[in-house]
Amino acid sequence: GDSVTQMEGPVTLSEEAFLTINCTYTATGYPSLFWYVQYPGEGLQLLLKATKADDKGSNKGFEATYRKETTSFHLEKGSVQVSDSAVYFCALSEGNSGYALNFGKGTSLLVTP
Amino acid sequence: DAGVIQSPRHEVTEMGQEVTLRCKPISGHNSLFWYRQTMMRGLELLIYFNNNVPIDDSGMPEDRFSAKMPNASFSTLKIQPSEPRDSAVYFCASSSSRQGSKYFGPGTRLTVT
Repeated sequence: GDSVTQMEGPVTLSEEAFLTINCTYTATGYPSLFWYVQYPGEGLQLLLKATKADDKGSNKGFEATYRKETTSFHLEKGSVQVSDSAVYFCALSEGNSGYALNFGKGTSLLVTP
Repeated sequence: DAGVIQSPRHEVTEMGQEVTLRCKPISGHNSLFWYRQTMMRGLELLIYFNNNVPIDDSGMPEDRFSAKMPNASFSTLKIQPSEPRDSAVYFCASSSSRQGSKYFGPGTRLTVT
């Protein structure tokens, strides 16, 4: 079945460092891919998405490119801020599973001043 | 828009008691999803509805769990009887279509003692 694998956390970075959080997926069809962010004590917020191969999603300085050849959707940001500290979830959805989101286990990011 | 509304935000109950979690989706959204989040298992899809009809409840853990959507603006998730292993954060999400982006509520933190 469909699945998403994320790099294990926690990830600790200094402010202004470059961020990469790896995400790979397995799917039987042609999924849409998402990154969600969860700040402490809050629900999940959609950060960005891509619906087809080679699409790049971007928002708030974060980017991720849908790579069908490597089945990946890695999240990147050029310069992180303390306020980016949160848990980041990679997810996919596709028609074979009714378009429900299938999440990775999440990667915790801590950015220190 | 008020976003997805969930109540209560926190619930503490004793084992064996009935628990009812409530969700109001974003107005105009016709798909609704219930998720459970735990440290051990991450985010799990419990059930989802499309146009108030349950489409897939294969994620519901056991018969103690039930969900209803009597109309387009309200859904409940009920646990009867509750057990300590049901302790988790329960999220409701809605989308304008099955393929659309899912928007999450703030969650209900359930503790069963």
